[in-house]
Amino acid sequence: DVKVTQSSRYLVKRTGEKVFLECVQDMDHENMFWYRQDPGLGLRLIYFSYDVKMKEKGDIPEGYSVSREKKERFSLILESASTNQTSMYLCAGTSGSADTQYFGPGTRLTVL
Amino acid sequence: GQSLEQPSEVTAVEGAIVQINCTYQTSGFYGLSWYQQHDGGAPTFLSYNALDGLEETGRFSSFLSRSDSYGYLLLQELQMKDSASYFCAVREADNFNKFYFGSGTKLNVKP
Repeated sequence: DVKVTQSSRYLVKRTGEKVFLECVQDMDHENMFWYRQDPGLGLRLIYFSYDVKMKEKGDIPEGYSVSREKKERFSLILESASTNQTSMYLCAGTSGSADTQYFGPGTRLTVL
Repeated sequence: GQSLEQPSEVTAVEGAIVQINCTYQTSGFYGLSWYQQHDGGAPTFLSYNALDGLEETGRFSSFLSRSDSYGYLLLQELQMKDSASYFCAVREADNFNKFYFGSGTKLNVKP
């Protein structure tokens, strides 16, 4: 069974803290994605990676960075968390030209 | 860029049929996908249309018309467990690693 896991289901951080969200997939997917989900806005792409050490900006990359040192792991980094980054963060993976995305359970981040 | 429009909420009764529409403005895409998300859960893949026409998977069917920039998800014999949010999504033709999602339709199934 395919599996994408995220390091935390719930996270509470303070403004200005550096935050790491980790995502691990066991499906040997080349492509991995980070989205944020907010009510009424659907899923918005933050960053994606199509290979180790490769990354591309999505639609809302400001305030975020990513790291992909190993194929199975894709990290989202908030260098200095702000309250407007309070959201649900979803990681996903796909293989090659496949159109099916496999999502992790999500991390609900609250920035106080 | 891509823009996908969906109704925000739909209500139907158990046993009925409901259609969730997705209209889009896009510079080009590979196909239209549909995902289901229950409250507190992760989106899960439901259906994919690469070509125009109807794709059927059990109680769920999905339709695409590229000439009309329109697609829909059809759910038959509604069950209470179908209460969830449904998202349409496309994979960009210019950069096939980029996906775009609609804002989602919350389906409420009532007894």
